[in-house]
Amino acid sequence: DVKVTQSSRYLVKRTGEKVFLECVQDMDHENMFWYRQDPGLGLRLIYFSYDVKMKEKGDIPEGYSVSREKKERFSLILESASTNQTSMYLCASSYTTPRQVSEQFFGPGTRLTVL
Amino acid sequence: AQTVTQSQPEMSVQEAETVTLSCTYDTSESDYYLFWYKQPPSRQMILVIRQEAYKQQNATENRFSVNFQKAAKSFSLKISDSQLGDAAMYFCAWSRPTPLVFGKGTRLSVIA
Repeated sequence: DVKVTQSSRYLVKRTGEKVFLECVQDMDHENMFWYRQDPGLGLRLIYFSYDVKMKEKGDIPEGYSVSREKKERFSLILESASTNQTSMYLCASSYTTPRQVSEQFFGPGTRLTVL
Repeated sequence: AQTVTQSQPEMSVQEAETVTLSCTYDTSESDYYLFWYKQPPSRQMILVIRQEAYKQQNATENRFSVNFQKAAKSFSLKISDSQLGDAAMYFCAWSRPTPLVFGKGTRLSVIA
């Protein structure tokens, strides 16, 4: 089974703190994604990565950065956390072959509260 | 930009009955993928069913089936013989191939 793990289920931080959210997948997937999920807004893509050291902005990258130094690990960084970044953060991974696109496999999510 | 619309924020169904969740999308692409994901309360998001746009046959997975109408850009999910464990948020998503574009979700309640 594909496993996507996230470093914390719940996290509470103060405004202005630097926050790291870690995601690890164990199936050698090329593609990794970070979403935030808010009630009534569904899932919105923050950043994604198709390969090590590559990153692409999603729909709402402002206030976030990412790092992918190893294929299995994709980190989301909040440089200076703000209260409007209180949300559920979901990580996902997927693979792509020339003729097939896999579904995305999701981690359990990190519920971040910024006070 | 591609958009996915789920017009039913909440739905309910009696146990053992059938329910249909609607999804429409907007794209100018001809080759793409559609997905339904399920997110149970406080649990991980999992794939329910997928459909490749080039396939005319509707996908089925046990009690779950889709009605894919490419010309109408519609992709509804039918759940037959609903069970208490079907209670969850359901998200429709579009991809070509990645990343996914999600709808805002439909919260399904199952009444015993």
